[in-house]
Amino acid sequence: QKEVEQNSGPLSVPEGAIASLNCTYSDRGSQSFFWYRQYSGKSPELIMSIYSNGDKEDGRFTAQLNKASQYVSLLIRDSQPSDSATYLCAVGAGTSYGKLTFGQGTILTVHP
Amino acid sequence: SAVISQKPSRDICQRGTSLTIQCQVDSQVTMMFWYRQQPGQSLTLIATANQGSEATYESGFVIDKFPISRPNLTFSTLTVSNMSPEDSSIYLCSVEVSLGIETQYFGPGTRLLVL
Repeated sequence: QKEVEQNSGPLSVPEGAIASLNCTYSDRGSQSFFWYRQYSGKSPELIMSIYSNGDKEDGRFTAQLNKASQYVSLLIRDSQPSDSATYLCAVGAGTSYGKLTFGQGTILTVHP
Repeated sequence: SAVISQKPSRDICQRGTSLTIQCQVDSQVTMMFWYRQQPGQSLTLIATANQGSEATYESGFVIDKFPISRPNLTFSTLTVSNMSPEDSSIYLCSVEVSLGIETQYFGPGTRLLVL
């Protein structure tokens, strides 16, 4: 069974700190990796996508991918209270075109 | 990205009835998907809506319970049939856009409560 695992949290960080969110996946054939942010009562919003090993930066967000370790992470620098949300890791299956498998999500709380 | 709308945004239904949810996107897309998000849970893929052919259902989901239509490249419907309280969930459609990497964007969702 193909799985995506995240720590459910909640992860609490002070404003201005770096929040680190982690995700592991079981399907070695996975090709694409995504982080979505979901505010309470809202639909998931894409933050980052990555498909090559290494780091990808976009503003305060950095996604890190290590395919050998089957590990993907999201770093949020200078965390703000508005970053408080559930962060969903999603993995694109290598053999099933278009299909995404989601982790359970990590609840992040940024306190002033 | 793409602009996606869903109707209705929310509904309260009686058990045994059916509800059809509409998903409209502002551009032609090949791949559309339907997900369910039960309270406090993550997203589970129900099916992939293929234009011009039958939907492809994931394990645990069947066409009789969740019939899907995809009449063109901008529109799809999901029907939740013979509803029970266990069907109370958020139903989300998504579309796949190719931006160098195939990426899914989500509609605003339909909140369904079955009494």
